[in-house]
Amino acid sequence: DAGVIQSPRHEVTEMGQEVTLRCKPISGHDYLFWYRQTMMRGLELLIYFNNNVPIDDSGMPEDRFSAKMPNASFSTLKIQPSEPRDSAVYFCASRTGAWGELFFGEGSRLTVL
Amino acid sequence: AQTVTQSQPEMSVQEAETVTLSCTYDTSESDYYLFWYKQPPSRQMILVIRQEAYKQQNATENRFSVNFQKAAKSFSLKISDSQLGDAAMYFCAYADSNYQLIWGAGTKLIIKP
Repeated sequence: DAGVIQSPRHEVTEMGQEVTLRCKPISGHDYLFWYRQTMMRGLELLIYFNNNVPIDDSGMPEDRFSAKMPNASFSTLKIQPSEPRDSAVYFCASRTGAWGELFFGEGSRLTVL
Repeated sequence: AQTVTQSQPEMSVQEAETVTLSCTYDTSESDYYLFWYKQPPSRQMILVIRQEAYKQQNATENRFSVNFQKAAKSFSLKISDSQLGDAAMYFCAYADSNYQLIWGAGTKLIIKP
């Protein structure tokens, strides 16, 4: 298996623009997570899905952030409009079962100017 | 609320020697999992080792082992025969009853050749 695949690897955009980050989890995994990593706040859980259904989105910073999982093999995290404080590395991770090993993608580094 | 504390922002060790990274956590639960993840410069988080709280035996994975002290709520990682490829950020994480990971701030490990 190719692992968790994220795109883009790097994104540079200007404040106010819409940003869409994409994730393909490992086939057969029923949990999918979106994390944000910054130097100041470390790793933060934004939202997670179980069987494509959002379970906990309490970590989503504000209404500018939204996430979808239309099927078992694809998820998106959208920021609209983007702001400089959204600059971070965004990770997607997936696992099978409640206690399974969490597999991470390589992350998407977002820079908002 | 559960918390995970890594008190060493940075550690360094001579190649081929042994180093121990510290992690403490706070919880009122009796059943949980603990993890050590490695994040090399490539950014991708990789599971190093995990420990089930109900198991008294310390987990080991080749050169990596843990010292799990449940009463003291301590979960340290020992790396034996350190190699240059071990240089990375190491994160301790606790999985709560909702199966979500709570992360420490990380320890940067430097390997001196």
